[in-house]
Amino acid sequence: QLQLQESGPGLVKPSETLSLTCIVSGGSVTSSSFYWGWIRQPPGKGLEWIGSIYYSGSTYYNPSLKSRVTISVDTSKNQFSLNLSSVTAADTALYYCSRDFADCGGDCQPSYYYMDVWGKGTTVTVSS
Amino acid sequence: SYELTQPPSVSVSPGQTASITCSGDKLGDKYAYWYQQKPGQSPVKVIYQDNKRPSGIPERFSGSNSGNTATLTISGTQAMDEADYYCQAWDSRTSVVFGGGTKLTVL
Repeated sequence: QLQLQESGPGLVKPSETLSLTCIVSGGSVTSSSFYWGWIRQPPGKGLEWIGSIYYSGSTYYNPSLKSRVTISVDTSKNQFSLNLSSVTAADTALYYCSRDFADCGGDCQPSYYYMDVWGKGTTVTVSS
Repeated sequence: SYELTQPPSVSVSPGQTASITCSGDKLGDKYAYWYQQKPGQSPVKVIYQDNKRPSGIPERFSGSNSGNTATLTISGTQAMDEADYYCQAWDSRTSVVFGGGTKLTVL
């Protein structure tokens, strides 16, 4: 059974870079038709999609965060990572990683795409 | 950018039918997905590709999508169904879009 585990610092200073890793077990990041994504949820608020990556390195990013986000994948370690630069208090949230199912992978435009499995989430607070 | 709109809250009596809507421009031309999130838990998909139910999700959960509106329907609502529900779609320019979420209260 696929499991996802987020890891990283729980506290980040303003203007610094937030870095999280999602360790994948019970499955491979190189599986076809699966993307690997990040979603966040500010305290008491709704879900905000951050972005996702295919094992080939193809990425999709939320346009509102694109200038600050980098998602990468390490197939040798079976994990993927999120970097969010120049953080502010508005980036304080519960961060989830996910396995996403799509009808195509890589440089193509899916006709369907959804979050198939979610991690338990990790809380990141931005504060000095 | 593409947006999905949900009512902030819906209330239903136990045993009755709850309907949660999700509106977006020509949403019926896309697939709609629904996630259930209970307090302190990660979201779980309850409907995918408009009306398909994952294994383990009770038959009382159903979905539809036409025109500008997708609807999640819970028949014979139970107290355990009280949760936040989020719709989601894929847009060619915005990629993944979530609705703002609907808090379902069973009272």
